[in-house]
Amino acid sequence: DVKVTQSSRYLVKRTGEKVFLECVQDMDHENMFWYRQDPGLGLRLIYFSYDVKMKEKGDIPEGYSVSREKKERFSLILESASTNQTSMYLCASSLWWSRALNTEAFFGQGTRLTVV
Amino acid sequence: KNQVEQSPQSLIILEGKNCTLQCNYTVSPFSNLRWYKQDTGRGPVSLTIMTFSENTKSNGRYTATLDADTKQSSLHITASQLSDSASYICVVTLNYGQNFVFGPGTRLSVLP
Repeated sequence: DVKVTQSSRYLVKRTGEKVFLECVQDMDHENMFWYRQDPGLGLRLIYFSYDVKMKEKGDIPEGYSVSREKKERFSLILESASTNQTSMYLCASSLWWSRALNTEAFFGQGTRLTVV
Repeated sequence: KNQVEQSPQSLIILEGKNCTLQCNYTVSPFSNLRWYKQDTGRGPVSLTIMTFSENTKSNGRYTATLDADTKQSSLHITASQLSDSASYICVVTLNYGQNFVFGPGTRLSVLP
């Protein structure tokens, strides 16, 4: 079974702190994604990566950065956490399209981040 | 603009009843459409996938339909169970699998 593991289920941080959210997948997937999920807004893409050291901005990248030093690991960084970044963060991974035309996004269990 | 809409926003039904969730999309180029189930506090899990040429697909008590001409999909749940209580998210894949467009989800509550 594909497994996508996020480092924390729940996290409470103070405004201004630097926050690291870690995600690891064990299926050799090329693509990895970070989303945030808020009530009524659905999942919104923050960043995605299709290869090591490659990254692309999603729909809402402001206030976030990412790092992909190894294929299996994709980190989301909040440089200076703010209260409006309180949300559920979901990591996902998928195969590169040429390896699986109907590729599926596999999700981690999510990290509920609260910034106080 | 690539967009996925879902209705209703929320739904409450009694255990054993059937229900149908709707998804409309304006996404191009279309690759496939998936329905995901997301339990509270968990990540989404794929239920079904529909490609352009498929009209209907079943997965146990879940049956998905796709009308690529009208760009509509539905998810029908038969003989609902308490464990069906979750959010159901419609996701359209474009760009040959490189990007996903998510609907806002339908929150289903099944009551005993």
